[in-house]
Amino acid sequence: GNSVTQMEGPVTLSEEAFLTINCTYTATGYPSLFWYVQYPGEGLQLLLKATKADDKGSNKGFEATYRKETTSFHLEKGSVQVSDSAVYFCALSSNQAGTALIFGKGTTLSVSS
Amino acid sequence: EAQVTQNPRYLITVTGKKLTVTCSQNMNHEYMSWYRQDPGLGLRQIYYSMNVEVTDKGDVPEGYKVSRKEKRNFPLILESPSPNQTSLYFCASSRSGQAYEQYFGPGTRLTVT
Repeated sequence: GNSVTQMEGPVTLSEEAFLTINCTYTATGYPSLFWYVQYPGEGLQLLLKATKADDKGSNKGFEATYRKETTSFHLEKGSVQVSDSAVYFCALSSNQAGTALIFGKGTTLSVSS
Repeated sequence: EAQVTQNPRYLITVTGKKLTVTCSQNMNHEYMSWYRQDPGLGLRQIYYSMNVEVTDKGDVPEGYKVSRKEKRNFPLILESPSPNQTSLYFCASSRSGQAYEQYFGPGTRLTVT
């Protein structure tokens, strides 16, 4: 079945450091891929998405490229801020009616000044 | 303001006492869904609804019921709660499926003693 594997945290960085959170997936066909972010005490928000191979999703300085050859969708940011501290979830949709959105287990990012 | 609302935000109850968590969205979305979030497990889908009067099971439906009588509302019902249903619950909605951005409610923290 479909699955998402993302690196375990917590990830602890200093402000302005480079961030990478790895995400790989297993799926048949051509899934859509997402990164969601959850700030403390809040629900999840869509951060970025990509719907086909080689697409690059970007938002708020974060980027992720849909790599079908390596089945990956790694999240990157060139310079993190304290306000980026949150839990990040990689997710996959098979785009087939009746199937669930599959989430990774989440990676906690903590950025210190 | 476009939003998904959930009530209550916090609930402590006892085993076997029926409860309902309400969810409402004001974006005229067709698709609605319930998730539970548990440490180390990420988010898992409980039930989803593609439209009014159309509901289906997600990955972990046991012990839960839902109904979709109106487009905007999607209540989650626990007929006989048990301690293993202690969790953080999120309602989400999207335009017409999981390939679209899902909008999440703020969450309901449920404790069953």
